[in-house]
Amino acid sequence: DAGVIQSPRHEVTEMGQEVTLRCKPISGHNSLFWYRQTMMRGLELLIYFNNNVPIDDSGMPEDRFSAKMPNASFSTLKIQPSEPRDSAVYFCASSPYTTGYVYEQYFGPGTRLTVT
Amino acid sequence: KQEVTQIPAALSVPEGENLVLNCSFTDSAIYNLQWFRQDPGKGLTSLLLIQSSQREQTSGRLNASLDKSSGRSTLYIAASQPGDSATYLCAVKGGSEKLVFGKGTKLTVNP
Repeated sequence: DAGVIQSPRHEVTEMGQEVTLRCKPISGHNSLFWYRQTMMRGLELLIYFNNNVPIDDSGMPEDRFSAKMPNASFSTLKIQPSEPRDSAVYFCASSPYTTGYVYEQYFGPGTRLTVT
Repeated sequence: KQEVTQIPAALSVPEGENLVLNCSFTDSAIYNLQWFRQDPGKGLTSLLLIQSSQREQTSGRLNASLDKSSGRSTLYIAASQPGDSATYLCAVKGGSEKLVFGKGTKLTVNP
């Protein structure tokens, strides 16, 4: 399996521009997570989906952020308009359906976003 | 609100030394705890997952323990090697599918 795939790996954009980050989860996994990692705040969950349905978006910082999962093999995280404080590494992770307490998330390599 | 703390933030040891990384969490009502490794510029790799009913898990030179009642976990690395240099993060899972992460311990193993 190729693992979780994210694109682009690096993105540099100017303030005010729209940014779209993409994620392909591991085939067969039905939960997908978007995280943001910064030096100050560490790794924070932004939103997660179960079976393509957003379950908890309480971590999305503001209305400029939106996420979609149109099918089981693709998700996007969009920032519009982008601001310098959005600069961070954005990770996507997926996990299989679980029963009981067995649970493991598999992370993609991340997208490093720089907003100037 | 669950908070996860990892101490120390950074650790430097000579090759061959045994070492312990610490993780504490404020809400003991967890389903499991997971230790991850992150190399610079890379994603996270899961190392060990301990369910709330378990006390420890072992994988090779790694041993993770969990004391849910006191809100603590440790990751023990035996006979450390330069290749172990990375940032180690712990994360706890509560009632939802959310993982709450600590900020990590940056480990450097010197040859």
